[in-house]
This record gives sequence, structure tokens and C-alpha cells, in this order.
Amino acid sequence: GENVEQHPSTLSVQEGDSAVIKCTYSDSASNYFPWYKQELGKRPQLIIDIRSNVGEKKDQRIAVTLNKTAKHFSLHITETQPEDSAVYFCAASFSLMYSGGGADGLTFGKGTHLIIQP
Amino acid sequence: GAVVSQHPSWVICKSGTSVKIECRSLDFQATTMFWYRQFPKQSLMLMATSNEGSKATYEQGVEKDKFLINHASLTLSTLTVTSAHPEDSSFYICSARDLVVTEGGNQPQHFGDGTRLSIL
Repeated sequence: GENVEQHPSTLSVQEGDSAVIKCTYSDSASNYFPWYKQELGKRPQLIIDIRSNVGEKKDQRIAVTLNKTAKHFSLHITETQPEDSAVYFCAASFSLMYSGGGADGLTFGKGTHLIIQP
Repeated sequence: GAVVSQHPSWVICKSGTSVKIECRSLDFQATTMFWYRQFPKQSLMLMATSNEGSKATYEQGVEKDKFLINHASLTLSTLTVTSAHPEDSSFYICSARDLVVTEGGNQPQHFGDGTRLSIL
């Protein structure tokens, strides 16, 4: 089965600086990679996702990059703000692209506790 | 949009009790829902995939007779923890996969708020 490794487990950055979280996956069949933000006691919220046919995707201060060959993907948050403090999870799954089939259940990384220092 | 409601949010009960958790997609239809389990300060672990109108698919190591899943409609899946014991205490969270495909060709999973289950 799929195995997702996530680093670091804790990341502390100064407000305004950038934060980068890295994940690797083991199953070359995986082709869908979402990132979730989870605040304490709350639901995970999808912040960005990427498919394997794309190398990079950006949404305002958040970007994700994917290297299929190396089987790793990263989350980049620029101009960090206090409200970015949370636990971030990467995940991987297989998805039947464009054929009406959706993604399989997600295999999550262990999470990164992001702390934004004011 | 894409709201998933999970009920109850917190359950405390005695050992041996069966507990039913509901997961509803409120403003979209979901032929597939997923059940995850999350221990404190740990990641989410997929337990099973719930498919509307058919049997659930369980991940390795998850007892299907202990964790009964029913997905009777396009908006509701239930997880019943049968004869719960203290080791079943955990945070159970469902997600629903939207039938609508996004611009990027994705069908994202939307999570419920989770159910904190405590077995005494």
C-alpha cells in the first residue's frame, strides 16, 4: 500500500517569512495529492490539491509543487500570518482522472505543526 | 457549499455499548464516503470506503464486524461501533467525495467535524 512521509513534524517561522513542508510517497500509481489544514479539535480543511499531470499549482499565498520522478511534493506558504498556525497534513491517493471515478481513500502524512511567531 | 455534517460530535458511553455515527453531505451528493480514525496528535488513518448501495471496503486490520458501515442514500453514511471497548476510544471522522468534478479534474473530499468517542 501507499506510505506517505512528512517533514518536519514541527515548524516555527517568523510572521511574514515563508514556510515549506515536504512529503514523499511510495506508490508510483498515486496521482492525486491534497493538502489539508487542521486546527485543534476541528475538521481538516482542503487548502490546495494537485494532480500528477501538473508540476505546480498556486493559490494566492499557497503553492504546491510535485516531482513525480522523485515521488515528492511540497507545500509552500509565503508571507505567513498568525492565522496560518495549525497542523498541516499532506495526503496521496489514486484517482481515475477524467473518467468519472473519484479518488480512493487518502493516505495521510503524520502532519506538521506550523507555528507562526509574531 | 460542500458541507458535511457529522453527528454526534461527542459520545461517552459504557464498555459493551454500540454507538452509531452519522455522516451527511448537506448540499451535494456523494456516492462515496470515507471513514477515518485519528488518535490524539496523530494522523488520520483510513478505516473504510463506503459506497452508496453496496458493501463497504475495509482497510487491512479493520474488523468489518466491529465497524459496521451502511450507505443507504447519496447523502448519508453511518458507522456503527459494535460492542465498543476502551481501546475503541478515538476521534472518528468521515469525508464525502463530491460528485462534481472541479476545474482541475478533481473530486475533493470534504470532511465532517468528527465524533469524539470515549468508552469508559
